[in-house]
Amino acid sequence: EDKVVQSPLSLVVHEGDTVTLNCSYEVTNFRSLLWYKQEKKAPTFLFMLTSSGIEKKSGRLSSILDKKELFSILNITATQTGDSAVYLCVQKGAYFGNEKLTFGTGTRLTIIP
Amino acid sequence: NAGVTQTPKFQVLKTGQSMTLQCAQDMNHNSMYWYRQDPGMGLRLIYYSASEGTTDKGEVPNGYNVSRLNKREFSLRLESAAPSQTSVYFCASILNGASPFNEQFFGPGTRLTVL
Repeated sequence: EDKVVQSPLSLVVHEGDTVTLNCSYEVTNFRSLLWYKQEKKAPTFLFMLTSSGIEKKSGRLSSILDKKELFSILNITATQTGDSAVYLCVQKGAYFGNEKLTFGTGTRLTIIP
Repeated sequence: NAGVTQTPKFQVLKTGQSMTLQCAQDMNHNSMYWYRQDPGMGLRLIYYSASEGTTDKGEVPNGYNVSRLNKREFSLRLESAAPSQTSVYFCASILNGASPFNEQFFGPGTRLTVL
């Protein structure tokens, strides 16, 4: 059964700190790994990773995938209170030509001013 | 483009009542999904539709039915609502294929309370 495990479940840091969120997965027919940020409503897309070792970067956020060890990390540097959210790791797999997503439970990040 | 739209935004039902959650997307996406999100459980897949005319069960399909009316619309029906179905429901869609730019787009969610 496909599985996505995120750690930690919850993290509280001070503004300006750097955080690393972890995601490990087991999935059949890997297609890609996606990171989302969810504040009060629907998740918003951050990154999609398909190849090992290639860092994706967007401002203070970056992410990398290791397909051999089956994990990904999401880094946020110089955190701000606006980074407070739940960060979701999502695995996209393929089954008989159809795509299916498996979600982790998320990491709740709280940034203290 | 409106993206993914869901109606209603909020709903309160009594146990045993039925209702249909509507979802529509205008991005010509092939696949559509219904998820429920509960505290500490993450997003769990209820049903999905890989293409028009097909639907498949996800992780937690019991108590729900779906209908892929056409390429744009994917509805979720609760025939006899139960308090355990109190949750936030998200619809999502994605364009199938190998494009590295694929991402799943989410609707704004429906907050459902069953008393």
